[in-house]
Amino acid sequence: SQKIEQNSEALNIQEGKTATLTCNYTNYSPAYLQWYRQDPGRGPVFLLLIRENEKEKRKERLKVTFDTTLKQSLFHITASQPADSATYLCALGVDSSYKLIFGSGTRLLVRP
Amino acid sequence: SAVISQKPSRDICQRGTSLTIQCQVDSQVTMMFWYRQQPGQSLTLIATANQGSEATYESGFVIDKFPISRPNLTFSTLTVSNMSPEDSSIYLCSVMTGSGEQYFGPGTRLTVT
Repeated sequence: SQKIEQNSEALNIQEGKTATLTCNYTNYSPAYLQWYRQDPGRGPVFLLLIRENEKEKRKERLKVTFDTTLKQSLFHITASQPADSATYLCALGVDSSYKLIFGSGTRLLVRP
Repeated sequence: SAVISQKPSRDICQRGTSLTIQCQVDSQVTMMFWYRQQPGQSLTLIATANQGSEATYESGFVIDKFPISRPNLTFSTLTVSNMSPEDSSIYLCSVMTGSGEQYFGPGTRLTVT
């Protein structure tokens, strides 16, 4: 069956450390993958998009990798800050219809 | 990017009634989508709102329950019809830009009593 898996347990790290979140998928062949941040009661906020032919993408303190062989994407936040505390969602773009299939999200808590 | 607004931001409705949610974008976009996020869950796509034609619904969602209008390239509505408590969710619209990025509205929090 098709699955997108993100760690359901919250990731709790110290301010200043690098946070690494994982998105694994099975039985999909995504053309691209997107990462979003969602705060309680708010809509998701777009962070990064990475395409199947790209290995890595960076934006300020954020870095995303995409390994189509392992069927995995890693999302890194360097020099993390308490303001980075939120739920992070990965979403797969799976066909030409442009619709996204979302993972369940991982909650990140950054301690001051 | 795109700036998206939704109305209402929240509502409490009685069972059996209907609610229409509006989504307004600050620029013309081809692709517009409606999602649902049930409490504690991730986002599930309801339908793709097509301008000038009927919406394309995902498995488990039907037009009679969730009619959608898309009169132009900056506006869409989603109606939740004959509501039951199971329809209590956050409803979100999103748009896709030319580069493939999707941007979401702030959501409409619906509670059905």
